[in-house]
Amino acid sequence: EDKVVQSPLSLVVHEGDTVTLNCSYEVTNFRSLLWYKQEKKAPTFLFMLTSSGIEKKSGRLSSILDKKELFSILNITATQTGDSAIYLCAVSLMNRDDKIIFGKGTRLHILP
Amino acid sequence: DTGVSQDPRHKITKRGQNVTFRCDPISEHNRLYWYRQTLGQGPEFLTYFQNEAQLEKSRLLSDRFSAERPKGSFSTLEIQRTEQGDSAMYLCASSSAGTTDTQYFGPGTRLTVL
Repeated sequence: EDKVVQSPLSLVVHEGDTVTLNCSYEVTNFRSLLWYKQEKKAPTFLFMLTSSGIEKKSGRLSSILDKKELFSILNITATQTGDSAIYLCAVSLMNRDDKIIFGKGTRLHILP
Repeated sequence: DTGVSQDPRHKITKRGQNVTFRCDPISEHNRLYWYRQTLGQGPEFLTYFQNEAQLEKSRLLSDRFSAERPKGSFSTLEIQRTEQGDSAMYLCASSSAGTTDTQYFGPGTRLTVL
């Protein structure tokens, strides 16, 4: 069965800290890995990763994929209270672009 | 606002009642997806349309659930004879062919079944 596992499930840090969120997957016919940020409403897209070892960066957020070890990390540096959210990892499958499999998410809380 | 919209945003109903939700995708997107999200879980795929054709349904979508996209634009999701276990956030997303990995989500409809 295809699955996406995120860790930790929850994390509390102080503003200014750096955090690393983990996502591992076991799927058939991997196509891409996606990160979303979900605050009180719908998920918003952060990154799509398809190739190993190539870091994607957006401001203080960055992500990288390891297709050999089947995992990805999402880094957030110099965290701010506005980074508090659930971060969702998802995997899309080749030839099955009808759905994306999501992990349970990591709930990140940044203390001021 | 040209994003994905959903209506209503909140729905409270009594067990046994029927409910219907609407999703309006981004206008140029031909693919539309429905997900369900419960507390502490990531979104779970329910069904997906390409234009007006419903191409896949998850086994999570019991006989009480039906979705339509009659003209290939907006979609409706109906739940008949609601049960308390149906309480969840129902998310709609859309994407365009060729960029299906990047699905844009609507704000969701939060259903509470009493």
